[in-house]
Amino acid sequence: DAGVIQSPRHEVTEMGQEVTLRCKPISGHNSLFWYRQTMMRGLELLIYFNNNVPIDDSGMPEDRFSAKMPNASFSTLKIQPSEPRDSAVYFCASSFQERTEAFFGQGTRLTVV
Amino acid sequence: DQQVKQNSPSLSVQEGRISILNCDYTNSMFDYFLWYKKYPAEGPTFLISISSIKDKNEDGRFTVFLNKSAKHLSLHIVPSQPGDSAVYFCAASDSGAGSYQLTFGKGTKLSVIP
Repeated sequence: DAGVIQSPRHEVTEMGQEVTLRCKPISGHNSLFWYRQTMMRGLELLIYFNNNVPIDDSGMPEDRFSAKMPNASFSTLKIQPSEPRDSAVYFCASSFQERTEAFFGQGTRLTVV
Repeated sequence: DQQVKQNSPSLSVQEGRISILNCDYTNSMFDYFLWYKKYPAEGPTFLISISSIKDKNEDGRFTVFLNKSAKHLSLHIVPSQPGDSAVYFCAASDSGAGSYQLTFGKGTKLSVIP
C-alpha cells in the first residue's frame, strides 16, 4: 500500500485566495483525520471523519475552513479566503476504526503571503 | 489547556547510550498512549503504543513505560543510534469516548551524537 497520499506537497498562495488540500487515505481505513502543525501550537486536530461522516469539527479554527469526505478514498480541506496566519503544515491521517494507530501522510506545507 | 505535555523541547544523547523521553498528561480518561517519530519534511510515523492496562511495552530497542498514578509515560531507546535523531511526539486517546482521535504533545527533538 502506498500509504496516505496528500497533495500538493507545497502550496504558496496569496491572501484571500481559496486553497484546497487533498488526501487519499489508506484503503480499508474507516477513520480520517486532518491535523495542522505550527511552531506555537504543535499538532492540532482540526476535524475527523468516521465512515465518511464528520464526527468532530470542533478543532476547525473558523468558518473559513471546511472539510469534506465524499467517499472512502478521498477527502479535501478547503480554506476560503486564506490568510497569512493559516500558514502551517497540514497533515492527513487515517486509521482502522478499531485501532488508534493513525498513519500520516507527508503533509502539505501551506504558505499564505 | 494542554492535556498532553512534553516539557523538554530537545534532548541530546551520545550514540550507544540510553535516550529517555518523557510525557505527562492531565486527562484521567486517557487509556491508550502512543509515540510517534517525525523526520523533517515527513509525516509522523507510529513507533510504539501502550494500553492503560499495562505498565510496560517493549519493541526491540524501544520501551514505553506508563505510570498511571503519576499520569506519566516515558519512551526509552537503548542503545541510541544516530538514525534515531528526530522529533518524538507523545499522543493519547480516550477510547471510551467512542472516538479515536489523538491528542498530541508538542514534541521533543532528539539528537543522537555519533
